[in-house]
Amino acid sequence: NAGVIQTPRHKVTGKGQEATLWCEPISGHSAVFWYRQTIVQGLEFLTYFRNQAPIDDSGMPKERFSAQMPNQSHSTLKIQSTQPQDSAVYLCASRQSSYEQYFGPGTRLTVL
Amino acid sequence: GDSVTQTEGLVTLTEGLPVMLNCTYQTAYSTFLFWYVQHLNEAPKLLLKSSTDNKRTEHQGFHATLHKSSSSFHLQKSSAQLSDSALYYCALNSGTYQRFGTGTKLQVVP
Repeated sequence: NAGVIQTPRHKVTGKGQEATLWCEPISGHSAVFWYRQTIVQGLEFLTYFRNQAPIDDSGMPKERFSAQMPNQSHSTLKIQSTQPQDSAVYLCASRQSSYEQYFGPGTRLTVL
Repeated sequence: GDSVTQTEGLVTLTEGLPVMLNCTYQTAYSTFLFWYVQHLNEAPKLLLKSSTDNKRTEHQGFHATLHKSSSSFHLQKSSAQLSDSALYYCALNSGTYQRFGTGTKLQVVP
């Protein structure tokens, strides 16, 4: 079991460019979550998929952020027109049971 | 709405001293509380999950007791080790996802 896989591990973009982050959940896990991690805010929930369907995106900024899960083996988080305040570590997690979430190593996004 | 509060951003301890990291929460529902630990450049991992009210749960030398009367789930360890240095998050189940506190960085020094 390779755990949750996230690529790339580091991404640097210029202001206004697009960034796409990838997540491969643990095989057999039906729930996938995206979180954003910063020193000030800690771990902030962004969005949640269950069996590939979007269930809760209440944490997603309404503009520029979107997430998809086209199949059970991967999910993407896309940020359009990136801004310096988007700089953070973006964590993906998957879950099968009722509570334990398994996190990936994260993608560190730096917007210059 | 639901919330999790971790008042200490940084806790620095000498090796061998006891550890206590604070966590309080607000929720209108009966729920589970969790502690996650994140070592440098690693993913957060589940450390503890709460049990029933006033019952202690233990794992890897750490323990915590859910106290609904005070809405608390403090993390404790009798003797800190250098390898305990990490970022610790308290979290609760909030509807469809887990809501996390801002985290406490524990720094254990010789």
